[in-house]
Amino acid sequence: QQQVKQSPQSLIVQKGGIPIINCAYENTAFDYFPWYQQFPGKGPALLIAIRPDVSEKKEGRFTISFNKSAKQFSLHIMDSQPGDSATYFCAASDAGNTPLVFGKGTRLSVIA
Amino acid sequence: DSGVTQTPKHLITATGQRVTLRCSPRSGDLSVYWYQQSLDQGLQFLIQYYNGEERAKGNILERFSAQQFPDLHSELNLSSLELGDSALYFCASSGLQRGELFFGEGSRLTVL
Repeated sequence: QQQVKQSPQSLIVQKGGIPIINCAYENTAFDYFPWYQQFPGKGPALLIAIRPDVSEKKEGRFTISFNKSAKQFSLHIMDSQPGDSATYFCAASDAGNTPLVFGKGTRLSVIA
Repeated sequence: DSGVTQTPKHLITATGQRVTLRCSPRSGDLSVYWYQQSLDQGLQFLIQYYNGEERAKGNILERFSAQQFPDLHSELNLSSLELGDSALYFCASSGLQRGELFFGEGSRLTVL
């Protein structure tokens, strides 16, 4: 059973566009929602994270939007660049320190 | 560089064989996690160790086992290998911030 559903599976945008990646969850015990970025040949690396007490968090060109009632959260990349081309994973965990549950990933390609 | 070291980077073996993957966590991190990454399943949690003791178990097959040694390095043992075990195996360690995992660059296992 997949606990975090991520979409789309792949995404192609033009340079300067705003790709949006969506995730949905069912477990209401989840209270920590990070996004990880993975470049080819590398391991995933933490990009940005949010807790459900806020609806939005920005770090540079990356923004997480969180909708607690809908149990959904999304990643927006402003002014996307070719260097943002990577696979992005959403994830979730609960206060019981259970290991992160990851979505299946979105392969983003930003073309010049 | 995440500070997590995994060896070997690549491994090719035959069905029925046994392999051992090794992970050294970041200095000072007590928790080690093992994840399996395949194209269709994303990042699947296998097992977590904390300071030498098993802390959590995920979708780990009975043919797989792991341990964490007193020096905190960990090994993932995969036996009776099948074609479907071909995947990237990631080790991650965590620090004080819940949910922030530091991943190694992975071990790519190919079973022929």
